[in-house]
Amino acid sequence: DVKVTQSSRYLVKRTGEKVFLECVQDMDHENMFWYRQDPGLGLRLIYFSYDVKMKEKGDIPEGYSVSREKKERFSLILESASTNQTSMYLCASSPNWDTQYFGPGTRLTVL
Amino acid sequence: RKEVEQDPGPFNVPEGATVAFNCTYSNSASQSFFWYRQDCRKEPKLLMSVYSSGNEDGRFTAQLNRASQYISLLIRDSKLSDSATYLCVVTNPYNFNKFYFGSGTKLNVKP
Repeated sequence: DVKVTQSSRYLVKRTGEKVFLECVQDMDHENMFWYRQDPGLGLRLIYFSYDVKMKEKGDIPEGYSVSREKKERFSLILESASTNQTSMYLCASSPNWDTQYFGPGTRLTVL
Repeated sequence: RKEVEQDPGPFNVPEGATVAFNCTYSNSASQSFFWYRQDCRKEPKLLMSVYSSGNEDGRFTAQLNRASQYISLLIRDSKLSDSATYLCVVTNPYNFNKFYFGSGTKLNVKP
């Protein structure tokens, strides 16, 4: 069974803090993704990575950066958290450009 | 214009009913199509892929209409456990086969 884990289920941070969200997959997948999900807007792609040290911007990369130093780990960084980044963050991995496997999500609140 | 559009619902149906959802997509070059299911406060999980010839998995039938650019999901003999949000997903072959998610259709199956 594919397993995608995320470092925290719930996180509360203050405006201006630097925030790290970690995602780890155990199936040697090439591709990894970060989404945010907001009511009425669905899942929106922030960044994705198709190989170690490779990254591509998604639809809403502003205010975020990512790091993929190892194949199994994909980190999302909020350089200076803002209240409009309060959201559910979902990580996914994929062995090809077909099925995506999601982690349980991190519900981030920025005060 | 959004890549993928869905009726948000909710669709409220009694147990045993048949219910159908449609999803339209804007890019005629879209290549792969999927239905994902998302339970409340959980991550999305693949329900089924949608093939050109249509496909069926038990009580679930998915169809693709390329001419009119929509996919559909039919659920027969609805169960209480089918209550969830159903996400339509299409991929763009000209952009790393990026996944585009609809914002979901909520289904409530009532006893």
